[in-house]
Amino acid sequence: DTGVSQNPRHKITKRGQNVTFRCDPISEHNRLYWYRQTLGQGPEFLTYFQNEAQLEKSRLLSDRFSAERPKGSFSTLEIQRTEQGDSAMYLCASSRWGTQYFGPGTRLLVL
Amino acid sequence: TQLLEQSPQFLSIQEGENLTVYCNSSSVFSSLQWYRQEPGEGPVLLVTVVTGGEVKKLKRLTFQFGDARKDSSLHITAAQPGDTGLYLCAGTLTPSGAGSYQLTFGKGTKLSVIP
Repeated sequence: DTGVSQNPRHKITKRGQNVTFRCDPISEHNRLYWYRQTLGQGPEFLTYFQNEAQLEKSRLLSDRFSAERPKGSFSTLEIQRTEQGDSAMYLCASSRWGTQYFGPGTRLLVL
Repeated sequence: TQLLEQSPQFLSIQEGENLTVYCNSSSVFSSLQWYRQEPGEGPVLLVTVVTGGEVKKLKRLTFQFGDARKDSSLHITAAQPGDTGLYLCAGTLTPSGAGSYQLTFGKGTKLSVIP
């Protein structure tokens, strides 16, 4: 199966620590998206890459968040100085055209 | 204000019953997707609709996109316990709006099918 993969699947960290998540999209998908989902809500858009260019960023993406896609393949999402409010499921999706396919997500818990 | 409103929020039915889930907006979407999500997992794509009035069938699931591309419905016939999950609708706004490529999600409908 060559779907979207995300690592790690779970992360527990202490407030103030930095965390980094990785997303490997479906091969040949040039578009990659990050979303955040909190309990009882649908996913909310964070940022979007077309190849290696970051073309859109949501206002949800504070300056503690940074995302990269250096070679237009995998992507990383880093959260610096984590806060308890960052606890959520972080989802990655990829697409070639309009329809997006999601990975299994990384569940973050900030203590 | 939620851009996409889903109803009902929760639905608990007996195996074999039929149900309809609704997704409504005041905005026009260029396309709309339905996903199903299990606890602790990512959303899994069920269908994409792009044409106003379009109807798509996937076994016991029937999806309809409104003529004005502002609403959609998901109908399940003879529900089974395996249909249990969170059903999410998500739309892409028309290209002339902001954020053309991002998906805007509803809060979802949590369906429980009791054996």
